[in-house]
Amino acid sequence: RKEVEQDPGPFNVPEGATVAFNCTYSNSASQSFFWYRQDCRKEPKLLMSVYSSGNEDGRFTAQLNRASQYISLLIRDSKLSDSATYLCVVPQPNSGYALNFGKGTSLLVTP
Amino acid sequence: DAGVIQSPRHEVTEMGQEVTLRCKPISGHNSLFWYRQTMMRGLELLIYFNNNVPIDDSGMPEDRFSAKMPNASFSTLKIQPSEPRDSAVYFCASTPGGDTQYFGPGTRLTVL
Repeated sequence: RKEVEQDPGPFNVPEGATVAFNCTYSNSASQSFFWYRQDCRKEPKLLMSVYSSGNEDGRFTAQLNRASQYISLLIRDSKLSDSATYLCVVPQPNSGYALNFGKGTSLLVTP
Repeated sequence: DAGVIQSPRHEVTEMGQEVTLRCKPISGHNSLFWYRQTMMRGLELLIYFNNNVPIDDSGMPEDRFSAKMPNASFSTLKIQPSEPRDSAVYFCASTPGGDTQYFGPGTRLTVL
């Protein structure tokens, strides 16, 4: 089993729709989790951190289910500018600040 | 403030040539990471440094790859000799010690 697994998509949704991505991780000892956003031909940038059961930031909500070892990202009222690849990230165990990245879920928001 | 700086932004070379990628982390950040991104494998950690010391190089594909960090403001990733399968985007990232990693714009490497 890979460390971090995501549905690659693509998810094609109309503006205003709500869309959710899931991510599963293999290391049950992980305490923190992250969602990064990567625009086409750009570098990844931190979108949200998740340390407890979840985190909300405006239209974005991240939820954590430790028992099932998955993390979700919910985007409400999606905008054209939300089109990007969303990377699920889990710290590597016992390795300082090294991170394991999922391969990403591609989102395309259409007019 | 300047972010992570990488050079060159694009590199096209022929198989067998030496390639050197450069990174300047954000000032004050004491951890530096080199990643490789391909469509097939996604973003893979190659090596990372804490306070200029290599901590984990288990992600380095093979002996053709080497990385150095001679001081807190500069790191290099060298591929010698390069092969077509090394074609990828190489990212450098740094962190001050927290969870957030700040990525540079990447070097797009094409080996013909």
